[in-house]
Amino acid sequence: AQSVTQLDSQVPVFEEAPVELRCNYSSSVSVYLFWYVQYPNQGLQLLLKYLSGSTLVKGINGFEAEFNKSQTSFHLRKPSVHISDTAEYFCAVSDSTGGFKTIFGAGTRLFVKA
Amino acid sequence: DGGITQSPKYLFRKEGQNVTLSCEQNLNHDAMYWYRQDPGQGLRLIYYSQIVNDFQKGDIAEGYSVSREKKESFPLTVTSAQKNPTAFYLCASSILKTGGTEAFFGQGTRLTVV
Repeated sequence: AQSVTQLDSQVPVFEEAPVELRCNYSSSVSVYLFWYVQYPNQGLQLLLKYLSGSTLVKGINGFEAEFNKSQTSFHLRKPSVHISDTAEYFCAVSDSTGGFKTIFGAGTRLFVKA
Repeated sequence: DGGITQSPKYLFRKEGQNVTLSCEQNLNHDAMYWYRQDPGQGLRLIYYSQIVNDFQKGDIAEGYSVSREKKESFPLTVTSAQKNPTAFYLCASSILKTGGTEAFFGQGTRLTVV
């Protein structure tokens, strides 16, 4: 069975500092990995996804993530955050046996301080 | 613009009352989903549907019901059997493809029991 663990429930960071949001997954087969962002009282929108190929994936708003199969991780990074990046971030996984169902992590709240 | 529309944005329910949350999409997606979001628990799957007139239970289906009479519409009814219905409800849709499929989300409905 698939599962996703987001290792930090909250991450406070100062504006213009780098940030890393950590995500580990478990699955016995090939996986597809996603990061979504949710602003307050809104739905989720896709930041980036890894399907195959290059392990470094670039997304919107300057975010990127690296797929590490040996460590079963898919950490999200941004070199310099802005106040507007304050939001909740969800890591998600689906695999070739789970049909089209996607499993979401519990979320990490990123709080950018001035 | 294509997208998913959820209504209402806020909904108040009295104890013992059934309420129905609306979800409409014009993305021509075959698959639709309902998720429940509670603080610190991420998104939990309630029901999903791959095709008109067919749907399957997710991880927390008890106390909920759905219908899929049209491809565009996937309403969720929160019944009086749902003991703790106060939550943020998200509807999503995707193309029907095994793995690697991005989900598109509505803006959510916040349900409060009064």
